[in-house]
Amino acid sequence: GESVGLHLPTLSVQEGDNSIINCAYSNSASDYFIWYKQESGKGPQFIIDIRSNMDKRQGQRVTVLLNKTVKHLSLQIAATQPGDSAVYFCAENGDPGTYKYIFGTGTRLKVLA
Amino acid sequence: KAGVTQTPRYLIKTRGQQVTLSCSPISGHRSVSWYQQTPGQGLQFLFEYFSETQRNKGNFPGRFSGRQFSNSRSEMNVSTLELGDSALYLCASSSGSTTYEQYFGPGTRLTVT
Repeated sequence: GESVGLHLPTLSVQEGDNSIINCAYSNSASDYFIWYKQESGKGPQFIIDIRSNMDKRQGQRVTVLLNKTVKHLSLQIAATQPGDSAVYFCAENGDPGTYKYIFGTGTRLKVLA
Repeated sequence: KAGVTQTPRYLIKTRGQQVTLSCSPISGHRSVSWYQQTPGQGLQFLFEYFSETQRNKGNFPGRFSGRQFSNSRSEMNVSTLELGDSALYLCASSSGSTTYEQYFGPGTRLTVT
């Protein structure tokens, strides 16, 4: 498949372990954030979102943490599975009130059997 | 609900030609955004359309343009193609007003030779 990013940071985890993917965002005024998963040859898939008035949000096997003090987001995936192997992006609405999103560079997650 | 659809999925064009890509958003969504994804620059915002009007624009040259029709379907056009325009072009669909969630289509892979 096509390469999403040639020199992405890579996180390798054992199947069944928990994964933590980090993202530093750029604009302290951003008030909405989304995590996306992108598999080779596909468009980004919406995983979970969080508003700036929250510091934690949980979904099915995923948790997003937001630290506005240091402009940091993390995505935690519990009991990582082979199907979780993909590139993960964080996105911020750098221009609040708009749909103009700024994307991070992405992290490649490799799940080892 | 059907997801975001993009046509064509793959295109090969020659330098100097022009190209038109199409996107149909999720039913009921009125906002369509376009992004360019390359290994070197990652995901970059091109523009957003809402109710047939360009509402936001990224930092791309005027060769990149778009439009939206009354049924919310959108097209983007790239004129005078350059080798550097080779990329995955992604369309994202949003309600445009009630939430900031954004969902992507599978993309159109454009190769310029």
